[in-house]
Amino acid sequence: SAVISQKPSRDICQRGTSLTIQCQVDSQVTMMFWYRQQPGQSLTLIATANQGSEATYESGFVIDKFPISRPNLTFSTLTVSNMSPEDSSIYLCSVDGLAEENEQFFGPGTRLTVL
Amino acid sequence: AQKITQTQPGMFVQEKEAVTLDCTYDTSDPSYGLFWYKQPSSGEMIFLIYQGSYDQQNATEGRYSLNFQKARKSANLVISASQLGDSAMYFCAMREAYGNKLVFGAGTILRVKS
Repeated sequence: SAVISQKPSRDICQRGTSLTIQCQVDSQVTMMFWYRQQPGQSLTLIATANQGSEATYESGFVIDKFPISRPNLTFSTLTVSNMSPEDSSIYLCSVDGLAEENEQFFGPGTRLTVL
Repeated sequence: AQKITQTQPGMFVQEKEAVTLDCTYDTSDPSYGLFWYKQPSSGEMIFLIYQGSYDQQNATEGRYSLNFQKARKSANLVISASQLGDSAMYFCAMREAYGNKLVFGAGTILRVKS
């Protein structure tokens, strides 16, 4: 199994500012996924990050708002830019199982509140 | 397009009893995987169980089992001998191919009563 850590675990930010969330995996993985969970809602994929290529964004999410970096096979960052209260959510990174297709693991999440 | 439906917004179960959480899905891809996750109030997503579309037997993991009815496109989670610590949000999710994204249902809040 993969062990995933995220920083920060939570933050309270002012509108108009940006926050960068880090995701670290203890093993090399090809694909990393960033999800958003708005209050009381389910999880929605923001983008898929492959090392060495541009992230692939889902409908409704754009690179200018959620820029992603993937500098190596164990690390990725998601930035939430020009934040508004509507960006208050839990942001989670996720990776596929390393040896088994029947696994997909999540980091502990970053709980963001925008005032 | 993939779609996951969880029709039970909330469920109550008495401690030590079994409970079934419903999940139906829709896909045109013959190869897919179904996942169940538990999300306690802390927000972390805890992987519970997986069922592949070609698996002949229903998946089981300890007190968790998956009632997979492929023709009906349902993948219900059964939790046996419920414990107070099982109180959480439960999500059903589907992935159409390895390396692809998970699509989640709306979730079911489970409350275990003592």
